[in-house]
Amino acid sequence: GAGVSQSPSNKVTEKGKDVELRCDPISGHTALYWYRQSLGQGLEFLIYFQGNSAPDKSGLPSDRFSAERTGGSVSTLTIQRTQQEDSAVYLCASSLTASGLSYEQYFGPGTRLTVT
Amino acid sequence: AQKITQTQPGMFVQEKEAVTLDCTYDTSDQSYGLFWYKQPSSGEMIFLIYQGSYDEQNATEGRYSLNFQKARKSANLVISASQLGDSAMYFCAMRDNNYGQNFVFGPGTRLSVLP
Repeated sequence: GAGVSQSPSNKVTEKGKDVELRCDPISGHTALYWYRQSLGQGLEFLIYFQGNSAPDKSGLPSDRFSAERTGGSVSTLTIQRTQQEDSAVYLCASSLTASGLSYEQYFGPGTRLTVT
Repeated sequence: AQKITQTQPGMFVQEKEAVTLDCTYDTSDQSYGLFWYKQPSSGEMIFLIYQGSYDEQNATEGRYSLNFQKARKSANLVISASQLGDSAMYFCAMRDNNYGQNFVFGPGTRLSVLP
């Protein structure tokens, strides 16, 4: 079946512009996660959606970052007034449910964001 | 406080030999899950193996096994008969109820398999 998809795969933007990154989770997966990974680094948690519950936004680095998930499916991560330090790969993952500890995450291929 | 520790930033192993990648974790929850992911240079994150805190047996998946020592809070990944294609970053992750069932990842270990 189809995996997690993300678009665009690459995005180059000028400093100060807004960008939107999209994530399509696996159908039926109720949990959706966004991470940021700088070059050669680990995963930095950004935000987590579980069903219709309020999202866990505790990882968003500043108020320039926001995310929404419409209809419990597609999610959009928006970065306003981009800065050079926002350059990274943004990874999206989905999981069947967050109510069971054994359910692993399935990751998308990521969006590589470069802010010039 | 960091919840997942991977003390080996980089490891080398000879092809066909076994290698152990260390992972220790911190949780006050009795029920939790431990995961290992592989990230090759292509960037994709690949799920390898899962261990539940109540599982009595160590998890195994093909050449991957998890050396789970609950009292020590360690969940080391053992790769047997290393192959060149095993060269990648390896991340240990945990999910527990104390963290809202979110995943917490360690900093990763870069494994290089030598021919």
